[in-house]
Amino acid sequence: QSALTQPASVSGSPGQSITISCTGTSSDVGGYNYVSWYQQHPGKAPKLMIYEVSNRPSGVSNRFSGSKSGNTASLTISGLQAEDEADYYCSSYTSSSTLNVVFGGGTKLTVL
Amino acid sequence: QVQLVQSGAEVKKPGASVKVSCKASGYTFTGYYMHWVRQAPGQGLEWMGRINPNSGGTNYAQKFQGRVTMTRDTSISTAYMELSRLRSDDTAVYYCARAPTPVAGTFDYWGQGTLVTVSS
Repeated sequence: QSALTQPASVSGSPGQSITISCTGTSSDVGGYNYVSWYQQHPGKAPKLMIYEVSNRPSGVSNRFSGSKSGNTASLTISGLQAEDEADYYCSSYTSSSTLNVVFGGGTKLTVL
Repeated sequence: QVQLVQSGAEVKKPGASVKVSCKASGYTFTGYYMHWVRQAPGQGLEWMGRINPNSGGTNYAQKFQGRVTMTRDTSISTAYMELSRLRSDDTAVYYCARAPTPVAGTFDYWGQGTLVTVSS
């Protein structure tokens, strides 16, 4: 069982917007602004899309945005494109003594 | 440009050990923590631990304590992850990932991954 909870799958049509949630606790998502989001295409390494809740690395499309409310973080993708179809993972710094970073279980995005 | 290049795929028997390397280039190796993350087939990402290449200090996830050892060789800008007493459920792709800040747990560059297969 993953430490952060994500929906297993989401879908949307080209041009639409979708949101993926990531729920943790006050020891991770809710306690720190250190949530990141990663995109992973099949057979490839993850790619950083959002860091520190809402910041985009250079080169990442502004169609990707992040936010947080309480213990839940969200990734929103607007203007869906076929190339956005991938797995998405959230991660958070955690104050747990047994871990330093926790991941969500991942969400499969299907572009219809 | 920043690159992390990992060693090739490995096949190991249960009980054996595996050592995966991660050669960094394009930045100052000792300036950024290196983390290791694994992904079992069809599963999600799992954090294993990290090393401070400057000091050699390490932090490991409790799940891997006693089985994992992370080291580095600053002369060749390479980090290593060794996992011992391998089991079949250690079959996974192992990634190294650079952290731009010590605390945040953000990984801005990843290696290409190393598939480790544990099978008798």
